[in-house]
Order: sequence, then C-alpha cells, then structure tokens
Amino acid sequence: GQNIDQPTEMTATEGAIVQINCTYQTSGFNGLFWYQQHAGEAPTFLSYNVLDGLEEKGRFSSFLSRSKGYSYLLLKELQMKDSASYLCAVMDSNYQLIWGAGTKLIIKP
Amino acid sequence: IAGITQAPTSQILAAGRRMTLRCTQDMRHNAMYWYRQDLGLGLRLIHYSNTAGTTGKGEVPDGYSVSRANTDDFPLTLASAVPSQTSVYFCASSELDNTEAFFGQGTRLTVV
Repeated sequence: GQNIDQPTEMTATEGAIVQINCTYQTSGFNGLFWYQQHAGEAPTFLSYNVLDGLEEKGRFSSFLSRSKGYSYLLLKELQMKDSASYLCAVMDSNYQLIWGAGTKLIIKP
Repeated sequence: IAGITQAPTSQILAAGRRMTLRCTQDMRHNAMYWYRQDLGLGLRLIHYSNTAGTTGKGEVPDGYSVSRANTDDFPLTLASAVPSQTSVYFCASSELDNTEAFFGQGTRLTVV
C-alpha cells in the first residue's frame, strides 16, 4: 500500500530552527509537496521537490532524497505565525496526491 | 479576486438527506478535486476531474457523486447522508500537470 509518515506534533521556540521529516512509500513518484494549514483554514502551497537536493525559499527550505524515500521541511527564524500544521504529499505514478496526516507545529515564545 | 469558492461554509444535515456541496473556480484550471479531511488522517481524495466532461474515483468515493459540466464548476453530491460522512470537505484545482493545487476554504459538514 501507499504510506506517508510524518510526526504528529512538534514544539519549537520562537526564533529557532525546526525540521519536519516525512518518509514515504508510494506507487511511483512524480514529486513531493509541502503545504501549510492554519487551524480552520485551507492548505496553502509551500514547496515542490522532484529532484534530489535542497530547495530554498526564504525562511523555508525543503529537501528530498528519492533513494531513501525521505524529505524534510526546514523552517528558520521561527515566528508565532508559523504555528500551523504542515502536510507532506507525494504525487504517485497516476499523478494523484497521497497525503500524510500532517505535523502540528506549536511555537512557544 | 481569482480563486476557488465553496458553499456552504458549514452545514448540519439529517441522516438520509441529500446534499450538494458547491465548488467554483475562476482560474481556468483543468483539474479539480474533492477531498475530505478527518482528524488524525491525511486528506483523502473522493473524486477528481482532469477536464470538463470527465470524472474519476479517488480513494473514498462510496456515497458520493460528482459532475463536471463545465471548466469552472465541480459539485459534490451526497445522495443519502450518513454520520460517517461528517467531515471537512475541501475542493481544489490545479493545472493538468498537477503542480500547485489551490484549495477552497472548506465546508464543515455534520451529519446527525
């Protein structure tokens, strides 16, 4: 079966750095996405990786290793507004997105 | 403002009733999707449409139907609602190559 694993919840301090991991087993691979979802709101796109390596976008970076079935989202200089759930999703061989359950990130002052 | 709109925002529905959730996008995206989101689970695909006039089943299609008469609209119908269909429903759209997906604000449905 297809499976996306990510931690249920993480806590970090304002101003710090946090890394959210995602491992996957899917039928084929056509890219990995990270989305941010604030409580009660819709998911919004953060990043897309299809090749191995690190993609940097401001305070957020995303890394992919296809051979290991592994990705992480790195958030730097954490702000209170970064408190949200972070969703990992993999596009399979049918170009359908398979979603993880999400990681709830709690930022403390 | 371009985007994707869902209606209603929330609804309490008696079991056995029929209900249609509406979704409209003005970005001219070919692909549209309906997901449900339940606590502790990832988004699960109900139905999708890659272009007007075609639809397909996702991971959890039972009890739901969709239609895609035109590019902009993708309604989701529950023929006879059951309590297990209590969930938050998200409509989304993307270009056909399925890169970034844009989501509606969601419909919170409670079946009692």
